[in-house]
Amino acid sequence: AQSVTQPDIHITVSEGASLELRCNYSYGATPYLFWYVQSPGQGLQLLLKYFSGDTLVQGIKGFEAEFKRSQSSFNLRKPSVHWSDAAEYFCAVSFFGNEKLTFGTGTRLTIIP
Amino acid sequence: DTEVTQTPKHLVMGMTNKKSLKCEQHMGHRAMYWYKQKAKKPPELMFVYSYEKLSINESVPSRFSPECPNSSLLNLHLHALQPEDSALYLCASSQALGNYGYTFGSGTRLTVV
Repeated sequence: AQSVTQPDIHITVSEGASLELRCNYSYGATPYLFWYVQSPGQGLQLLLKYFSGDTLVQGIKGFEAEFKRSQSSFNLRKPSVHWSDAAEYFCAVSFFGNEKLTFGTGTRLTIIP
Repeated sequence: DTEVTQTPKHLVMGMTNKKSLKCEQHMGHRAMYWYKQKAKKPPELMFVYSYEKLSINESVPSRFSPECPNSSLLNLHLHALQPEDSALYLCASSQALGNYGYTFGSGTRLTVV
């Protein structure tokens, strides 16, 4: 069965610092990968997605992610975080022929001044 | 219109009540989803509709009854719920089944008393 691992439950970074959130998936087929962000009490907003092609994907709000098949990873990065980036971040995966989107357990991002 | 609209935003109901959650989208998406999210947990898939037909039921108890009256509207009828059903209920839509990425609504915060 497909699964997603986000090894970091909580990350704290200083405003202006760079950010990397980790995501690993498991399954044999080619994955379709997503990063979502959720502010408290809100729905999920799609930051970016990878289906095929260029393994470096640009998203909204200055985020990017890189698909590395050899490491089964899809890490999210931002060169300089803003206080408004504080939220919960979810990595998700699905596969061709499988409609089900499986979410990781999430990483809570805290920004300090 | 690029939104998924969910109503109500908050709902408090007793265990003997009958209530409904509503989800609407006007993006022409033909797949719609219900997710349940407990606090500090990732969303969990409940139901998937494709072209107004139920495609996936993730073994959800019968006290939750989905309905898709047309391609723009998705309802979730609630009856005889338990306090442990209190959660954020998220609706999402996508162009079709497959891997197009979901658009989520902001959710209905349900409290069962």
